[in-house]
Amino acid sequence: EEQLVESGGGLVQPGGSLRLSCAASGFTFSIYWMSWVRQAPGKGLEWVANIKQDGSEKYYVDSVKGRFTISRDNAKNSLYLQMNSLRAEDTAVYYCARVHVIAVAGWFDPWGQGTLVTVSS
Amino acid sequence: DIQMTQSPSTLSASVGDRVTITCRASQSISNWLAWYQQKPGKAPKLLIYKASTLESGVPSRFSGSGSGTEFTLTISSLQPDDFATYYCQQYYSYSPAFGQGTKVEI
Repeated sequence: EEQLVESGGGLVQPGGSLRLSCAASGFTFSIYWMSWVRQAPGKGLEWVANIKQDGSEKYYVDSVKGRFTISRDNAKNSLYLQMNSLRAEDTAVYYCARVHVIAVAGWFDPWGQGTLVTVSS
Repeated sequence: DIQMTQSPSTLSASVGDRVTITCRASQSISNWLAWYQQKPGKAPKLLIYKASTLESGVPSRFSGSGSGTEFTLTISSLQPDDFATYYCQQYYSYSPAFGQGTKVEI
């Protein structure tokens, strides 16, 4: 069964840092683009970042550029999101998702169960 | 950036109803569009990609159509399990974007 499991969420103060992890299983992780997508409480879905199979290309939504870094370790079948300079508006459930890329982007399937990040003092 | 707008934001319907949700893109995205279903406290689930291709295992009562800037998701006969929030998503650009969602409620 293809599965993604996120971890690393929690409560952090504004300006703080957090590193999210996503463990993949049931598929060949190294041949897929991967993404992080977030959802603020009671709000819609927002794409956060994409990373190519070998990590050579990365894309970010404007609101996190310079603060968040997406990375991966294909040997460990793992995806990461390093989040620095966190703001209250970064509070959300963060999902990792596999990307089925067509040309420059793609659709997301499967998704992990999500991990909640709360930025508050 | 390409903006996605869904309508309506909320839809009240009954079991057995035919339901249609519209998604409009701010510029042409060809058929690079996906639809997802999300239930409270759960991750989104892929329903349709390439505007009209049904994901494996998704009931045939779901269908998608459209190209360019206007797209629709149709549920031919609403079932109790279909009450959820539905999102469209474009993947035409390097910055994929979702619509704001349509909540289908009783």
